Parts: sequence; C-alpha cells; structure tokens
Amino acid sequence: GAVVSQHPSWVICKSGTSVKIECRSLDFQATTMFWYRQFPKQSLMLMATSNEGSKATYEQGVEKDKFLINHASLTLSTLTVTSAHPEDSSFYICSARTDRGQKPQIKNTEAFFGQGTRLTVV
Amino acid sequence: LAKTTQPISMDSYEGQEVNITCSHNNIATNDYITWYQQFPSQGPRFIIQGYKTKVTNEVASLFIPADRKSSTLSLPRVSLSDTAVYYCLVDDWGDKIIFGKGTRLHILP
Repeated sequence: GAVVSQHPSWVICKSGTSVKIECRSLDFQATTMFWYRQFPKQSLMLMATSNEGSKATYEQGVEKDKFLINHASLTLSTLTVTSAHPEDSSFYICSARTDRGQKPQIKNTEAFFGQGTRLTVV
Repeated sequence: LAKTTQPISMDSYEGQEVNITCSHNNIATNDYITWYQQFPSQGPRFIIQGYKTKVTNEVASLFIPADRKSSTLSLPRVSLSDTAVYYCLVDDWGDKIIFGKGTRLHILP
C-alpha cells in the first residue's frame, strides 16, 4: 500500500521555541494533506487541510499563525508549531490523499496516515 | 459530512468474532464507508472500505445494509493484538476527513 512518512517520531523542545514536523508521501503524489492532533484517550482532531500550492484551510479554533502549514510540493507538507508552549504538547498526525485516478489500486477514498509525532514542550 | 456513532468501548475474548456497528443515518449517495484501526502512539491504519452490501479482505468483513444507514465491521477470531481503537468514517472524497470518537476494543485472554 501507499506509504506516508512522518518525521520526527518524537520531539522534546523548550517552551518558546518552534518545531517543524514533516510529512512525506513516498510513492504517490498527495494532492491533499491533512494535519491532526490527538490528546490522550481522545480521537483525532482535524487541524487543517492543505492542497499543494495553495494556503491551508484551518478548522475553527486552530490558530493559523501558530500552526504554520506548508504544502510546497506534491510529496511534502510541513507543520511548524511556533512559540510552542506546554499546552501544545500532543500527538500530531498527518494524512495524505491522492486524486482518484492516480493510483487505481487505491480504494476510492482511502487516505494514508503517517506514524505520528509526539511533541513534548517543557 | 455524515456523522457517525459507534459504541465507546467493547470487550471480547481471544478467538471470538467481534462485530462493531456504526450508525451513519445521514450518509450521502457519494459517501463511502471506511474503517481504520489505531494502536497507541501510531497513526490510523486502513482496514476496509465499502459502499454497499458486503466486502471482505484478509483481515475483516464489512456488512452494509441496503439503506446504508449503518455498517458493521466484523473481525474474525480476534487475538490480543487486535486491541485498538476502531474508527468508522463516511467520506465522499470531499475536502475533509473527520474522525468520530471511535470504539475502544479490548481483547481479553
């Protein structure tokens, strides 16, 4: 199946610093990427949706100036948590999806997920 | 986007068949039903997807009645390693993929 690679798997940073998380689609072109955060024992919460070459669409309540998303190519999207604080500590997960016609063996609306990034802000 | 409702949690024993039902009363014509599995500290993993009737793959079966207002994920002969959270999603390849609360499945020895 298709592979989405997320890096780093975990990161610890000091309060006030910025952290960048990368999400790469390894064997397909991801026209759309999604970024989620997940707190312990909770479901994935969609933060934003990005399409290659255009600005990300943020969900209500998600600060776009704090969570910078760049989807500069069809295989790479990045999430930068700026001026991180302890309350930003969470599990961040990216997802990628391609156009229907690009990989026929992919099910119609299947999305592929990275392995997640555990961010701890101290 | 159609909202999904699943049981919060389920327990079962090794070797049993487990059925998790998801309700999606407002499913639209273009929506597909997809189930994902998530282990702690990992991203969700695709299990199965269907549009109507029955779909079976090497790990699960998906039963969808004619009205498509619900679906049932069936896991045959579960093992301890099937302990995970299972999410049911309905999606029309639109601009968002929204997760519900999922079902926390706990397999007992």
